[in-house]
Amino acid sequence: SQQGEEDPQALSIQEGENATMNCSYKTSINNLQWYRQNSGRGLVHLILIRSNEREKHSGRLRVTLDTSKKSSSLLITASRAADTASYFCATDEDSSYKLIFGSGTRLLVRP
Amino acid sequence: DSGVTQTPKHLITATGQRVTLRCSPRSGDLSVYWYQQSLDQGLQFLIQYYNGEERAKGNILERFSAQQFPDLHSELNLSSLELGDSALYFCASSPSGLAGLYEQFFGPGTRLTVL
Repeated sequence: SQQGEEDPQALSIQEGENATMNCSYKTSINNLQWYRQNSGRGLVHLILIRSNEREKHSGRLRVTLDTSKKSSSLLITASRAADTASYFCATDEDSSYKLIFGSGTRLLVRP
Repeated sequence: DSGVTQTPKHLITATGQRVTLRCSPRSGDLSVYWYQQSLDQGLQFLIQYYNGEERAKGNILERFSAQQFPDLHSELNLSSLELGDSALYFCASSPSGLAGLYEQFFGPGTRLTVL
């Protein structure tokens, strides 16, 4: 499989807490994206970070990118029950014409 | 609503059969991507079409084929189906053929069950 690794595979937190998910990839990239998937539904794009960016914010989301370590993290602050979903990172590391998705982190936010 | 439509939503068929999954991209998007999501393999890229031409291939079996028509809708054909082909099949679209450059808009998926 060409998939990157995501860590942890599953995460359970209390509403109001912060959730951090990590993604690692294998080779150089131009861009890294994060997506969210509610159970059995289509993926929804959250944020895109370019290889020359180190940090990006969108609402309660903060994404960091460390190209020297080939890793990225997604932080969701002040989590809500509605944030319960699977979160995937995706890179163009293999080719400019396709996205390689990580294995995903399943987040459960308990009310 | 992403603007990407996929039909059918569910498909139940038998081993050895052939099925066709259909995708209509968002208005104005030239690229269509197909993905397979199964429990043990995660989300796997299958193939990309850009403005009617195949642009990239992933882990697509020889029993599978796809095409993009002049009106930009796309079809994924799965033949000689096996039990292991049971999965969610997603189509996504984007304005660009460069996959990482723009976000992709995903359809709701087709759930294929092979009995």
